Amino acid sequence: DAGVTQSPTHLIKTRGQQVTLRCSPKSGHDTVSWYQQALGQGPQFIFQYYEEEERQRGNFPDRFSGHQFPNYSSELNVNALLLGDSALYLCASSPLTGVGSPLHFGNGTRLTVT
Amino acid sequence: RKEVEQDPGPFNVPEGATVAFNCTYSNSASQSFFWYRQDCRKEPKLLMSVYSSGNEDGRFTAQLNRASQYISLLIRDSKLSDSATYLCVVTAAGNTGKLIFGQGTTLQVKP
Repeated sequence: DAGVTQSPTHLIKTRGQQVTLRCSPKSGHDTVSWYQQALGQGPQFIFQYYEEEERQRGNFPDRFSGHQFPNYSSELNVNALLLGDSALYLCASSPLTGVGSPLHFGNGTRLTVT
Repeated sequence: RKEVEQDPGPFNVPEGATVAFNCTYSNSASQSFFWYRQDCRKEPKLLMSVYSSGNEDGRFTAQLNRASQYISLLIRDSKLSDSATYLCVVTAAGNTGKLIFGQGTTLQVKP
C-alpha cells in the first residue's frame, strides 16, 4: 500500500514563473494538506483540501492556490515565484475522521527559485 | 510570540548520554501533541504522540504539562542514529487537523 506520493522530487524555476506540484494521498485518505518548509524552519501550513474544496488556509498570499480532484489527489500552484518561495513543499493526507491525529507526509518537493 | 517554541540547539552529546528537549505552545485550546523526527533533507516522520499522563516508547519518553503549556522529550542512551532534528507539533485550536510545528531542535550524537 503506497503512502503519500509527491512529484516532482526537485524543481528549479526562475523568478516570476509559475509552478505546479502534485500529491497523491495514501489509500483511504480523503483530506490533503500542504506545508512549506524553509531551510532551518519547521513546516508552515499552507492549506487543506477536503471534498475538492479548500477547507482552511494558513498565512500565505493568493499566489498560492490549490486543487483537489475527485480521486482525492491534489495540486499546489504557485504563481509569480519569488526567491523566498524556495523551500521543501510537503503534502500530507489523512482521513477526515482522523482530525487531530498525526499526519504522515510524502517525501516532499524541493523547489529552488533562482 | 511564536505559537510553538523550541530551542534550536544544536545539542551535541556523546553516545550513551541522556538528552532532553523542551517545547512551549501558546494556545491553551490545542488538543493533540506530537514529536516528529526529521533527517537532513527528508520529510518529517512521526516519532510519538504525547499524552497528558506521559508516555514512553523504548528509550524515548514524552511528557505534557497542560497547565504550563509545556512539552518535553527525553532520549536515554543516545545512539548515533538518533542524530536528527526533533520537531514539536501541536494541533491548532478547534481540532481542524492543522498542525503547528516548532522550529525544531537539532541533535548530534557523537561517538
